[in-house]
Amino acid sequence: QQQVKQSPQSLIVQKGGISIINCAYENTAFDYFPWYQQFPGKGPALLIAIRPDVSEKKEGRFTISFNKSAKQFSLHIMDSQPGDSATYFCAASTDAGNMLTFGGGTRLMVKP
Amino acid sequence: NAGVMQNPRHLVRRRGQEARLRCSPMKGHSHVYWYRQLPEEGLKFMVYLQKENIIDESGMPKERFSAEFPKEGPSILRIQQVVRGDSAAYFCASSLYRGFYNSPLHFGNGTRLTVT
Repeated sequence: QQQVKQSPQSLIVQKGGISIINCAYENTAFDYFPWYQQFPGKGPALLIAIRPDVSEKKEGRFTISFNKSAKQFSLHIMDSQPGDSATYFCAASTDAGNMLTFGGGTRLMVKP
Repeated sequence: NAGVMQNPRHLVRRRGQEARLRCSPMKGHSHVYWYRQLPEEGLKFMVYLQKENIIDESGMPKERFSAEFPKEGPSILRIQQVVRGDSAAYFCASSLYRGFYNSPLHFGNGTRLTVT
């Protein structure tokens, strides 16, 4: 009930391409869905977050798409750059919950 | 404005020793969370504390692990009698108040524990 499943585990994209990472959740009480970016040796950093009252949120090259009926959400990185190479984690929670539940992570490599 | 500070960055312990991991939250933040990350895996929730109180420890192993967040000083995650399976990166996060959307989690850079 608390799981968040993330795919793919790894992704290779050419510079300028679109990177797409998908997550699915089971708990219908979840109402907060952030994405975190983690570089090697560093802690996760919040990238973008969405609540289920909207189906899409865009910040610069990063867009979250949210499908409430399918209990899925995805991260799209437009015009992917080598500097975007990192591990990306989706997460979910109730907004007033005690914890974020994280997906297993996607290692993104953007080739020049 | 300093972020979440964790120390040490790297910690090596022999089996059976104790490990103490420290976390100073961002200035003004009174909510602290500890997560564990095993190699090539996601982050697993361990415990949520608010000054002097443990709010949720549902992710903490029942034995050998404890956490505190005293009125003064950093939050401490303590692992007694470490075993090789405790080797992982331990991340601390803090938030200003409850409600993730308006008060998101800010993570430190972690402590990498190696048990030999």
